[in-house]
Amino acid sequence: EPEVTQTPSHQVTQMGQEVILRCVPISNHLYFYWYRQILGQKVEFLVSFYNNEISEKSEIFDDQFSVERPDGSNFTLKIRSTKLEDSAMYFCASSRRQGANEKLFFGSGTQLSVL
Amino acid sequence: AQSVTQLDSHVSVSEGTPVLLRCNYSSSYSPSLFWYVQHPNKGLQLLLKYTSAATLVKGINGFEAEFKKSETSFHLTKPSAHMSDAAEYFCVVSDPSGSARQLTFGSGTQLTVLP
Repeated sequence: EPEVTQTPSHQVTQMGQEVILRCVPISNHLYFYWYRQILGQKVEFLVSFYNNEISEKSEIFDDQFSVERPDGSNFTLKIRSTKLEDSAMYFCASSRRQGANEKLFFGSGTQLSVL
Repeated sequence: AQSVTQLDSHVSVSEGTPVLLRCNYSSSYSPSLFWYVQHPNKGLQLLLKYTSAATLVKGINGFEAEFKKSETSFHLTKPSAHMSDAAEYFCVVSDPSGSARQLTFGSGTQLTVLP
């Protein structure tokens, strides 16, 4: 089965630093998503992206966050100035068609630790 | 508003015995329901989904789940556990809009399979 790949698997950063989390969605997919899971909490939706635009975003996705599809294959999540509370597992996902009723393919996650 | 509750954070079974992972949901709509599995160092993988067709849904690897509206439940079962089933399992509910934002994850159940 095709896979979504995420790099790095672990990222450690200092508070206030910028981080970029990278994802390579499945090649014929058109919809892309970021979710995160803070330790001990539920998986939360951050943002969805289609046709080079954000489709939806949650309240978590504030001005410190941005997403980009710079080259037609990568899909990145940038956090401009990390905070301690940004420490979480970040999951990228993609789908061929829109929405949660479609099969979402998830990557294995990037564990972000902000010190 | 919608929510999902996974009643057990940890379940331990012996290999060859049945598996039951419990999930209850609440939704103002007729929801779509999913079970995802996450093996160590792997992405979230869709096991099965219910989208208002047959109430008994068969998934991959011998898993199935039954949608019971009267009990607002969507429990995951397997007749005979295998060592490779050890993983974390997430019950997920989605509203009919299919919006990725409206995917609500349960807190997860860690399944241990004992030899």
